[in-house]
Amino acid sequence: QVQLVESGGGLVKPGGSLRLSCAASGFTFSDYYLSWIRQAPGKGLEWISFITDSGNTIYYADSVRGRFSISRDNAEKSLHLQMDSLRADDTAVYYCARVSLEGTWIDYWGQGSLVTVSS
Amino acid sequence: DIQMTQSPSSVSASVGDRVTITCRASQGVGTWLAWYQQKPGKAPKLLIYAASSLQSGVPSRFSGSGSETDFTLTISSLQPEDFATYYCQQGNRFPLTFGQGTRLQIK
Repeated sequence: QVQLVESGGGLVKPGGSLRLSCAASGFTFSDYYLSWIRQAPGKGLEWISFITDSGNTIYYADSVRGRFSISRDNAEKSLHLQMDSLRADDTAVYYCARVSLEGTWIDYWGQGSLVTVSS
Repeated sequence: DIQMTQSPSSVSASVGDRVTITCRASQGVGTWLAWYQQKPGKAPKLLIYAASSLQSGVPSRFSGSGSETDFTLTISSLQPEDFATYYCQQGNRFPLTFGQGTRLQIK
């Protein structure tokens, strides 16, 4: 069965950095596009980044462009999100997500990793 | 960016009721539209994709319709497990954007 397991979340001070990872299993990782989506406490869903199967094409939301960097390792079946210059409004649960082969929607989600930015 | 607006933001209904949630896009997205269900403390779950296609394993009481700017999610006969928050999402162009969510509560 498809599994996406995030790790690396935690408490970080404003201006600090954190690296999230997502370990995938149960599907041919290199065939799929992937995304990161976040959800601030009590708020809605916000898409933040996307990467194609080869990693050659990447998109970011304006809110994180220049501060966050998405990458993947197809050999290790892992997805990463490097988060720099973190701000209080980056506090959220971060979901690793598999993009459907049918179109740009999410057919599988990880369980989420909480990132808290606070002094 | 394409703005997605859901209505209502919250709705109360009873088991067995028929419920419709609408989603409006600020510009045409064709049928590049998905619906998700999210329960407290859990990741969202894909219900409908391509505006009207039912995701595998999702009960047939869920259905979707619409195109371009106006979409609906209908639950034909509410079950206790359907009380949750529902989100639409456009997949036509980046940035991918979600509606603000519709909270479906028990009356």
